[in-house]
Amino acid sequence: GAVVSQHPSRVICKSGTSVKIECRSLDFQATTMFWYRQFPKQSLMLMATSNEGSKATYEQGVEKDKFLINHASLTLSTLTVTSAHPEDSSFYICSAKSLAGGAGELFFGEGSRLTVL
Amino acid sequence: SQKIEQNSEALNIQEGKTATLTCNYTNYSPAYLQWYRQDPGRGPVFLLLIRENEKEKRKERLKVTFDTTLKQSLFHITASQPADSATYLCALAGGGNKLTFGTGTQLKVEL
Repeated sequence: GAVVSQHPSRVICKSGTSVKIECRSLDFQATTMFWYRQFPKQSLMLMATSNEGSKATYEQGVEKDKFLINHASLTLSTLTVTSAHPEDSSFYICSAKSLAGGAGELFFGEGSRLTVL
Repeated sequence: SQKIEQNSEALNIQEGKTATLTCNYTNYSPAYLQWYRQDPGRGPVFLLLIRENEKEKRKERLKVTFDTTLKQSLFHITASQPADSATYLCALAGGGNKLTFGTGTQLKVEL
């Protein structure tokens, strides 16, 4: 099946620094990637939809200047958490839809656990 | 407001029995509904998709039903095994391939 790779899987940073998370589709092309965050025991919350070659579409309540998303190619999207604070600590997960895939099926990365000290 | 509800309490069953998980939704008219499996600290893994005009879908030991009148989907695992222990998420499709997830139900299959 299709593989989505996220890196890093875990990152610890100091408050005020920026952290970049990469999401790559390894064996397929994805025009659209999605970024979610998940708090413990809670559901995945969609943060933004990332479209290759254009600006991301953010969900209500998600600060676009805080969470910078770049989708520079059909296989790579990045999420940068700028000036991270402890409340940004969470599990961030990306997903991608294959150009050739069936309707609706999304392939998820393994997630990136961010801890801000 | 739109809501997706899954039983937040963990479901504990014995190995070999059938596990049944429920997903109820309100104020949605989804074109399709999906079920995912999520293990601790991992991303979700796609299991099954069922469209609004389908009543039932099967894949090996998995079966999903979709009742758009009741606004409910049931997810069954037959002949359950300890390896089936995980959190199972239902997700509804909105516009633009956006998925909205339920909070998930944790399943524990005991020997």
